Amino acid sequence: SQQGEEDPQALSIQEGENATMNCSYKTSINNLQWYRQNSGRGLVHLILIRSNEREKHSGRLRVTLDTSKKSSSLLITASRAADTASYFCATDKGDTDKLIFGTGTRLQVFP
Amino acid sequence: DAGVIQSPRHEVTEMGQEVTLRCKPISGHNSLFWYRQTMMRGLELLIYFNNNVPIDDSGMPEDRFSAKMPNASFSTLKIQPSEPRDSAVYFCASSLGSGRTEAFFGQGTRLTVV
Repeated sequence: SQQGEEDPQALSIQEGENATMNCSYKTSINNLQWYRQNSGRGLVHLILIRSNEREKHSGRLRVTLDTSKKSSSLLITASRAADTASYFCATDKGDTDKLIFGTGTRLQVFP
Repeated sequence: DAGVIQSPRHEVTEMGQEVTLRCKPISGHNSLFWYRQTMMRGLELLIYFNNNVPIDDSGMPEDRFSAKMPNASFSTLKIQPSEPRDSAVYFCASSLGSGRTEAFFGQGTRLTVV
């Protein structure tokens, strides 16, 4: 069964706007990661945030983690058409390296 | 490194036939994962190996599915006999392991069972 649920399921925005995706999970975690998947391709790792961190930045990406609410958000600032993809959160529990993925958000950025 | 390599990229087979999917993880990675992706069920973890040993196969749907990792550089996922509902994209991924869980994915095998 999937650990995480993401919302929205789909998001459409214009280039230059910010995109925010949310992930909720069910059990305690060690790390939470975000991945990107272009159509027909494998997933690509974007960023990892540890359970003792609250916020992390990487380029135009900003990730927050609230362990009390068991939720995370991914913000993509100044979006580009090339950001069009599906975005997934994934969690691991720390006792194993098993990585469980959420349901994903499909992002469409219009030029 | 060339990344995680999966073969074949596409497979079309008839119901009842045996299907074998192959994966070469990144050299030095100790954890290997097989995932299945469908529109209905999303990305499901089928089985997870660590140091070539199956650690968790609770996601394997039925006895028709089996996976092996005979050495650190090769893994297979076999479906016998295949059924139309097995049609999906199957991904292999690897990570360093031991708490270093950033996963690297292959390009996937798109399986169609007719």
